[in-house]
Amino acid sequence: DQQVKQNSPSLSVQEGRISILNCDYTNSMFDYFLWYKKYPAEGPTFLISISSIKDKNEDGRFTVFLNKSAKHLSLHIVPSQPGDSAVYFCAASDKGGSNYKLTFGKGTLLTVNP
Amino acid sequence: GAGVSQSPSNKVTEKGKDVELRCDPISGHTALYWYRQSLGQGLEFLIYFQGNSAPDKSGLPSDRFSAERTGGSVSTLTIQRTQQEDSAVYLCASSSLPFGVSPEQFFGPGTRLTVL
Repeated sequence: DQQVKQNSPSLSVQEGRISILNCDYTNSMFDYFLWYKKYPAEGPTFLISISSIKDKNEDGRFTVFLNKSAKHLSLHIVPSQPGDSAVYFCAASDKGGSNYKLTFGKGTLLTVNP
Repeated sequence: GAGVSQSPSNKVTEKGKDVELRCDPISGHTALYWYRQSLGQGLEFLIYFQGNSAPDKSGLPSDRFSAERTGGSVSTLTIQRTQQEDSAVYLCASSSLPFGVSPEQFFGPGTRLTVL
């Protein structure tokens, strides 16, 4: 049973516009949510995170919104740039003791067209 | 090194052979994780190390999979009698404890394993 779901396998956006990537989760014990970006043949790189006690976190062009009641989060990229084209993974952490293992969604391929 | 390194970057093996995958975490990081990504899937947790101990091995798919960590640093993931379904990218990540703002993990570039 998938605990973290990214229902859109791909998204195409025009340069300069907003990209919105969505993520749903089922486990109410998740206490942190993270977004990772992955280019081909590279490991994922951390983008931004949000604690379950917050509803918004912003870092430059990237903003993550968390709606706990809906068990939904989204990543907004404004303005989108061609270099943002990559696979974006949503991940969640369930602190069992001190083990912060991450549960990942399947990813969304973002293509930003010039 | 500055980041997490993994070797080899690519490994092609025949069904039934054993393989060893290596991970060098960021210096000083006490926590180390192994994940794998099969085609079209997200990253799947395999095992977690805190120092040299593995308190969570719940993600290892079968007893053909094992891992160890020595000196609180390098880790080796071993797959015995490989099967075609083991083909995937194996990713290692490390992090420092206690955490600061978020449980961020730093990933290596991965080892692409192909079992023929």
